[in-house]
This record gives sequence, C-alpha cells and structure tokens, in this order.
Amino acid sequence: AQSVAQPEDQVNVAEGNPLTVKCTYSVSGNPYLFWYVQYPNRGLQFLLKYITGDNLVKGSYGFEAEFNKSQTSFHLKKPSALVSDSALYFCAVRPPMDSSYKLIFGSGTRLLVRP
Amino acid sequence: ETGVTQTPRHLVMGMTNKKSLKCEQHLGHNAMYWYKQSAKKPLELMFVYNFKEQTENNSVPSRFSPECPNSSHLFLHLHTLQPEDSALYLCASSQGASSYEQYFGPGTRLTVT
Repeated sequence: AQSVAQPEDQVNVAEGNPLTVKCTYSVSGNPYLFWYVQYPNRGLQFLLKYITGDNLVKGSYGFEAEFNKSQTSFHLKKPSALVSDSALYFCAVRPPMDSSYKLIFGSGTRLLVRP
Repeated sequence: ETGVTQTPRHLVMGMTNKKSLKCEQHLGHNAMYWYKQSAKKPLELMFVYNFKEQTENNSVPSRFSPECPNSSHLFLHLHTLQPEDSALYLCASSQGASSYEQYFGPGTRLTVT
C-alpha cells in the first residue's frame, strides 16, 4: 500500500539551531513529494515540492528538503530555526501516473521552537 | 488565504440537522477536493472533482454529499451526522497537470452534538 511516514510526533529545537523534520514514503515509481505547514486554526500552506531534477529543493520561509531515492526519504530542513516556525508540518506524496491528483499525507509532526 | 475561502468557519449541528459547507477558489483551478482532519489522524481525502466531475469518492458515508456546480465552487452537504464526524473539514484546489501542489482553505470546524 502507498503510504507516508513521519516517525516523530514532535520535534523540539532551540531558536537559531538547525532543524530537521523527517519523512519517508512507500510509493511505486518516482513520486511527487510535498511539504505543507499548518498554523493553529488555519488551513495547510504549501512550503515546497520535489518533482524532478536537483535533489535539494528550496521553498518558502527558508525551508529546504532533500530527496533521497535510495532511502525513500524527503526530510525537511532549515539551517536556523525561528520561534515563529512552531507549527504542524505535513509531508505528502502524489503517486506517479495518478490522474486524480490526490495527495497521500503523513500524520504530521509538531515542531516546537523554544526561545 | 484569499485564494481558497470556506464558510462557515465554525459550525455546530445536531445529529438530525441538515447543513452545507461551502468552498470557493479564486485561483482559476480546475480540480477541487474535500479533506477531513481529525485529531491524531492523517488527513483523509474524501472527494475529488476534476472539471466539475467527481473522480474520487474515498468510501465516504452517504450522509456526506458533495456538489460541484462549477470549477470555482464546491459544497459538502451534511445530514444525520454522527458525533465522530466532528472534525476540521478542509477544501483544496489545484491546477492539475501543470501545477502539482494543492492550495487549501482555512477549513470549517464542525462539531456534531
């Protein structure tokens, strides 16, 4: 079955330190990969995507993610965390050759950046 | 969040009520989606519409009935819901083949009493 795993329910990091939010996937073929962020009482906001090309993709608010095909991972990273980055982060995958454009989401990781 | 709007933002309804959720996208997209977000569960895709045609019904109970009159509007009609249907209902849209990401509305927080 196609799935996305975010192994950490919560990630804690001090402001100014680098952060990593992990994501692995199980999809046949070469998937399209996404990260979204959700702030309290808000919908999901698109951060970045990997479709093809360079394995390191850059997105909004200084975030980046690295696609690793051999490890089937797409970890979200930021060199220096801000308190305002505290939110719920979702990894998602769109299976290739899927005509319905549906996304499969992970369960989410709560990021807490302490001052 | 002006790209995709949802109304109402909050809704409390009894199990015998009938209500509707509305979603409107101002992005010129041709695909629209309903998701359910419950506490401690992954987002659940409910319905997908592409060019106003329903292309996916993810085994959703018939007490949820979607309607897509045009590419910009999407409704979710609710009737005889159960308390376990209480959740955040998110609408999203996407361009389709040329743009893979989905853009989400702020959601409707539904409480069934």
